[in-house]
Amino acid sequence: AQSVAQPEDQVNVAEGNPLTVKCTYSVSGNPYLFWYVQYPNRGLQFLLKYITGDNLVKGSYGFEAEFNKSQTSFHLKKPSALVSDSALYFCAVKERSNTGKLIFGQGTTLQVKP
Amino acid sequence: ETGVTQTPRHLVMGMTNKKSLKCEQHLGHNAMYWYKQSAKKPLELMFVYNFKEQTENNSVPSRFSPECPNSSHLFLHLHTLQPEDSALYLCASSPPEGGLWNEQFFGPGTRLTVL
Repeated sequence: AQSVAQPEDQVNVAEGNPLTVKCTYSVSGNPYLFWYVQYPNRGLQFLLKYITGDNLVKGSYGFEAEFNKSQTSFHLKKPSALVSDSALYFCAVKERSNTGKLIFGQGTTLQVKP
Repeated sequence: ETGVTQTPRHLVMGMTNKKSLKCEQHLGHNAMYWYKQSAKKPLELMFVYNFKEQTENNSVPSRFSPECPNSSHLFLHLHTLQPEDSALYLCASSPPEGGLWNEQFFGPGTRLTVL
């Protein structure tokens, strides 16, 4: 069965430090990979996606993600965290087929402290 | 804002009530989605519409009834809900599913409480 795992319910980092939010997946083939962010009382906002090519993908607000095929991972990273980055982050994957649906992880709360 | 609006933002209803959630997108997309978001759980896809035709019903109970009159509007009709249906209901849209890598654009959600 297809699945997405975000092993950490919450990640705490100090402002200015690098951050990583982890994501691993179990999907057949080479899926498309996405990260979304959800701020309080808001819907999900698209951050970045991996389609093909360079394993390091750059997205909005200074975020980037690294695709690792052998480890089936797509970790979200940022070199220097901001307090305003505090939010709920979702990893999602989609099969490369006409019937592939977007499958989400359970989400990771990022808390950046001043 | 993402170009996807949802009304109402908050809804409290009894188990015998009938209510409807509304979603509207101003992005020219042709695919629309309903998701259920519960705390500490992955988003659950409920329904998918492509060009007003329902293409996915993810084993959703019949007390949830979707309607898509056109590509810009999506409704979720609710009746005889249960307390466990309390959740945040998110609407999303995307360009046609032929563009498989297209991201989805989400509305702010309707926070539903069933008493």
